[in-house]
Amino acid sequence: EIVMTQSPVTLSVSPGERATLSCRASQSVSGNLAWYQQKPGQAPRLLIYGASTRATDIPARFSGSGSGTEFTLTISSLQSEDFAVYYCLQYKNWYTFGQGTKLEIK
Amino acid sequence: EVQLVESGGGLVQPGGSLRLSCAASGFTFSTYWMSWVRQAPGKGLEWVANINQDGSEKYFVDSVKGRFTISRDNAKNSLYLQMNSLRAEDTAVYYCARSVVISAFDMWGQGTMVTVSS
Repeated sequence: EIVMTQSPVTLSVSPGERATLSCRASQSVSGNLAWYQQKPGQAPRLLIYGASTRATDIPARFSGSGSGTEFTLTISSLQSEDFAVYYCLQYKNWYTFGQGTKLEIK
Repeated sequence: EVQLVESGGGLVQPGGSLRLSCAASGFTFSTYWMSWVRQAPGKGLEWVANINQDGSEKYFVDSVKGRFTISRDNAKNSLYLQMNSLRAEDTAVYYCARSVVISAFDMWGQGTMVTVSS
């Protein structure tokens, strides 16, 4: 089983600033990595797939990078609606999610 | 409108059974792999099971093998999860989600809550 580890667990950032979230895989997943945003009481929403491709209707302030075992989600200028929990997902070998990073307002 | 709508959740005693349904609309259901993903209260996401387009391939996470079955009816645009021998640790919101082959889940339902408790 591929284990996905996200860091930090909680990230406090001010609106307008940049946020950088990390995801590490226990073995290479190549580019088979997605990022999701989840707000309370809602289903996850796909942001990024293929490590760096934005999903439909996702704003350009969201970007993904990385390959192999190290991945990053960057939100360039935080808007109020971006404060949520973010999950990474590997789909190289079935599916495993990271434990999530809570992005909170500083 | 493109959507997935789950139903069938509820309160069930340990050892009991429950059948979840997911109704798809607005897209060609028969061309997608479909999955169930769950989220225990206050916890992260866990993939549970998936099924290919014609139902000939089915896969499960180890913790539910032998207890859960997944099926689909393409004529009814519906996905199902039959859950038997339920345990307290199966308590979660269950989401259905679609993917193109084994790839990222690009659409999710709103979820249905399953509570296993005496």
